[in-house]
Amino acid sequence: IVLTQSPGTLSLSPGERATLSCRASQSLDSSYLAWYQQKAGQAPRLLIYGASMRATGIPDRFSGSGSGTDFTLTISRLESEDFAVYYCQQSGRAPPYSFGQGTKLEIK
Amino acid sequence: QVQLLESGPGRVQPSQTLSLTCTVSGASVSSGNYYWTWIRQPAGKGLEFIGSIFTSGSTHYNPSLKSRVTILLDTSKNQFSLQLNSVTAADTAVYFCARFVDYYDLDEYYFDFWGQGTLVTVSS
Repeated sequence: IVLTQSPGTLSLSPGERATLSCRASQSLDSSYLAWYQQKAGQAPRLLIYGASMRATGIPDRFSGSGSGTDFTLTISRLESEDFAVYYCQQSGRAPPYSFGQGTKLEIK
Repeated sequence: QVQLLESGPGRVQPSQTLSLTCTVSGASVSSGNYYWTWIRQPAGKGLEFIGSIFTSGSTHYNPSLKSRVTILLDTSKNQFSLQLNSVTAADTAVYFCARFVDYYDLDEYYFDFWGQGTLVTVSS
């Protein structure tokens, strides 16, 4: 399954709402869709799993939704620490796994 | 708290073998529903799945790399390793090891712990 993220870059200001898209090349059980945040020089951090379940310690301004082939990560009110690169990832019942190409969220 | 730490040479010559080790603390590599995984990231690019090894020892590889990759468990040292043969400049990347959770009974699947990553440069 190929994951395509859009947009490639999103320029927004703190306090604004961010909507990131992840489209799968074929229908995907939502249990197998996760979102990660990666800051420069760091490993990715789990934000959302099962398409909509927030990981431990993740603020409630982050939310995930979607089903089938279309999934969305929403950040309700951007804070300065949210500007980073975001990846969706699918797993299926077994590897191989795949990642989207990423969306860079930058300060406008 | 689970921790993963990658180690290995930072430079490998073209056509040689890249060898990395991931040392795990706070969890056993031989128990639980986990896939111990290698992922890489070329500079300025996205994440690429290389391969995984289940706690039972079964392996799964990226089809595009399968002919060159071997992942092994060393339960005595609580480590897993990556070998990538016949490397070229295209294999230059930061290599991450990570744990993938496969909680079938809870319907939960995700990478929960990652190493800090190690840069491997393929160059003579």
